[in-house]
Amino acid sequence: QKEVEQDPGPLSVPEGAIVSLNCTYSNSAFQYFMWYRQYSRKGPELLMYTYSSGNKEDGRFTAQVDKSSKYISLFIRDSQPSDSATYLCAMRGTGGFKTIFGAGTRLFVKA
Amino acid sequence: EPEVTQTPSHQVTQMGQEVILRCVPISNHLYFYWYRQILGQKVEFLVSFYNNEISEKSEIFDDQFSVERPDGSNFTLKIRSTKLEDSAMYFCASLGGLPTDTQYFGPGTRLTVL
Repeated sequence: QKEVEQDPGPLSVPEGAIVSLNCTYSNSAFQYFMWYRQYSRKGPELLMYTYSSGNKEDGRFTAQVDKSSKYISLFIRDSQPSDSATYLCAMRGTGGFKTIFGAGTRLFVKA
Repeated sequence: EPEVTQTPSHQVTQMGQEVILRCVPISNHLYFYWYRQILGQKVEFLVSFYNNEISEKSEIFDDQFSVERPDGSNFTLKIRSTKLEDSAMYFCASLGGLPTDTQYFGPGTRLTVL
């Protein structure tokens, strides 16, 4: 079983739609959960960062962590064409030395 | 806003040659990392560096790889004898402090081995 599973998509939605992106993981030691956005041939850009279980909201983005189910989500409200990118979930334990990434989900938002 | 910078943006080399990829982490960050991403694949951890020594490394980070913080600002990744399969994007990241901070990534260096 992979440590982090993420559906690579692609996911295509119309402008204005609510987008739901998800990851599952197997390592119960993970405590810190991140979502990064990556444009083609660019570095990952941090979007959301949460510790342990719960929700966090920032503008149009909401991150949810359910540690009991080992499941994390990112919701994008009122999606825009500029949101078209690959979204990477990532996580690490408290030791913090390495971060494990999901495969990334490619999102296309059509105008 | 402070950011991680990397040079060069693109490096082309012949198989068997040595390459050095350079990174300037965010000032006052204490933890430094290298990751790589082969085209179309996921971002993979290579190595972490703290207090002037390697704190963790992956199976990918074999004897061909080394890291160094030569002058207190730069952080380098050296590949001694490049192979075709080393062709990838290499990302540097830095982190201010554990446990609550998170990593900020540079724009990457695209390494092409011919």
